[in-house]
Amino acid sequence: DTEVTQTPKHLVMGMTNKKSLKCEQHMGHRAMYWYKQKAKKPPELMFVYSYEKLSINESVPSRFSPECPNSSLLNLHLHALQPEDSALYLCASSQESDSSSSGNTIYFGEGSWLTVV
Amino acid sequence: GDSVTQMEGPVTLSEEAFLTINCTYTATGYPSLFWYVQYPGEGLQLLLKATKADDKGSNKGFEATYRKETTSFHLEKGSVQVSDSAVYFCALSGYYGGSQGNLIFGKGTKLSVKP
Repeated sequence: DTEVTQTPKHLVMGMTNKKSLKCEQHMGHRAMYWYKQKAKKPPELMFVYSYEKLSINESVPSRFSPECPNSSLLNLHLHALQPEDSALYLCASSQESDSSSSGNTIYFGEGSWLTVV
Repeated sequence: GDSVTQMEGPVTLSEEAFLTINCTYTATGYPSLFWYVQYPGEGLQLLLKATKADDKGSNKGFEATYRKETTSFHLEKGSVQVSDSAVYFCALSGYYGGSQGNLIFGKGTKLSVKP
């Protein structure tokens, strides 16, 4: 069972709406991630937070705004999205984001299915 | 840069058949290797991992061995079940933007097991 919890599981929003996706982990991990997955494709990295600071932004449009209130929580604020942003959004966490030791395993949540209408 | 190549699907097998899904990689340094599974309508679950050459990861009857000489991490299962129907992703934890630890995925292989 995953220990990364995402809410909501499904979200339908209009292009003028503002909504947020939420993620929580209680494994004491210091790195958290947002990935986007389109149908029949592998996940694509969007953002990485390390020790509550944004360390990687994979050139994501500003209509996606991440926030890390504390080491256990990660939010993704959504505003003025386009229909092509409809996808599965996966949150993940790991012990570190830049561990030089082997075995830095990334654990995923169940995802939030987003539909933009 | 680092990359992962896995066999194209879909793969369709009968129950109790032997499964192999090929995965090869290109990487600098010494990556960790992973297999993730995604059941229909769900997120990704870690299936197994290996962190150094000759390590064998195993879970739920699935196995994969980290072969540095052939840069491979093939997934195998001796007898598949209908419940194994899912998409399987091979991934490596590589060097990205100055930080290790972020995943590079293969394209995924869809497995369908028929009763």
